[in-house]
Amino acid sequence: NAGVTQTPKFRVLKTGQSMTLLCAQDMNHEYMYWYRQDPGMGLRLIHYSVGEGTTAKGEVPDGYNVSRLKKQNFLLGLESAAPSQTSVYFCASSYNSGLYEQYFGPGTRLTVT
Amino acid sequence: GENVEQHPSTLSVQEGDSAVIKCTYSDSASNYFPWYKQELGKGPQLIIDIRSNVGEKKDQRIAVTLNKTAKHFSLHITETQPEDSAVYFCAASMAGYQKVTFGIGTKLQVIP
Repeated sequence: NAGVTQTPKFRVLKTGQSMTLLCAQDMNHEYMYWYRQDPGMGLRLIHYSVGEGTTAKGEVPDGYNVSRLKKQNFLLGLESAAPSQTSVYFCASSYNSGLYEQYFGPGTRLTVT
Repeated sequence: GENVEQHPSTLSVQEGDSAVIKCTYSDSASNYFPWYKQELGKGPQLIIDIRSNVGEKKDQRIAVTLNKTAKHFSLHITETQPEDSAVYFCAASMAGYQKVTFGIGTKLQVIP
């Protein structure tokens, strides 16, 4: 099993460009999450999904959109990138609610210039 | 919503010594407290967790204690080794809650 994979691993964008980050999991998990990690700020939840076809806002959703068309995939979109979105992005999945272990992907390092 | 505070933000110990990281939470309904370890360049990974019906849990050199009255929980690492150097996150969640609230992390450095 590959667990949770993220594509791409690194990306540099110019302000105003758009991109999509792909997260895939092969554990048949219901819940999936997108976090951003910035120095001194820990892990902040952007959006999450509790099942195929569902999405919900987390702590810092502005400037991001998500989709969960297939159970195994969770996409994070940036429509018009800003320097404030420079960060490391982690995807995670869990079997069920917040009472279960979250399995994290290796992260995507995004730089917006 | 839930708020989790974690300290210290950085911790340096000599190899073989013990390390303790402390967290407090705000919502008394929280009943699940996982700890994650993040090595450089990798995603966080669960190392131990505790639920509110248990006061202490051990797994080899790591242990977690929970004080529900005071709303705080701690991670204890004994006989530290260089491979314990990483960032550690505490977190809290509760039944019916779809999310986990993380602390800001503690960077542990074990000096050989």
